[in-house]
Amino acid sequence: GAGVSQSPSNKVTEKGKDVELRCDPISGHTALYWYRQSLGQGLEFLIYFQGNSAPDKSGLPSDRFSAERTGGSVSTLTIQRTQQEDSAVYLCASSLASGSYEQYFGPGTRLTVT
Amino acid sequence: RKEVEQDPGPFNVPEGATVAFNCTYSNSASQSFFWYRQDCRKEPKLLMSVYSSGNEDGRFTAQLNRASQYISLLIRDSKLSDSATYLCVVNGGGGFKTIFGAGTRLFVKA
Repeated sequence: GAGVSQSPSNKVTEKGKDVELRCDPISGHTALYWYRQSLGQGLEFLIYFQGNSAPDKSGLPSDRFSAERTGGSVSTLTIQRTQQEDSAVYLCASSLASGSYEQYFGPGTRLTVT
Repeated sequence: RKEVEQDPGPFNVPEGATVAFNCTYSNSASQSFFWYRQDCRKEPKLLMSVYSSGNEDGRFTAQLNRASQYISLLIRDSKLSDSATYLCVVNGGGGFKTIFGAGTRLFVKA
């Protein structure tokens, strides 16, 4: 079956602009996660959804970052007033449910803020 | 102390060698454990789950030691294609809590 998909695959934007990143999870997966990975670094947890609810937003770096999920499926991560330090690969993952289940990752969106 | 710790390496081994990685975790209530591999500029991919009784998948063996709070990954007969970063993942321990280790880099040389 289809895996996790993300769009766009690459995004170059000017400092100060807003960007929206999209994630389509595996069908039937109720949990969805967003991570960020800077070059040569580990994964940084941002936020997760169980259904349409986000019980844990503790990883969002600032109030410029927000995310939503609708219909228990697609999720968008929005970064307002982008800064150069936002440049990274943004990875989305989904799992059957939150907790102990393995997560499956999408290919990521590479964001470059100039 | 980090919640999940891994030796960053790099481990440089010749083809055919056996190599082992350890990963320690701090939360004794953690419930599930996984190994992922990540190739350069790619997303992490699930390599294997780690069960209490230990499990094997071809050349790969994973073990869990709850008393000492570590998991291990053993790779036998290393191949060039095994070169990657190996991520230890720990789940659970009070609601949702998934922690990824920073990864161990492996280079297998001809």
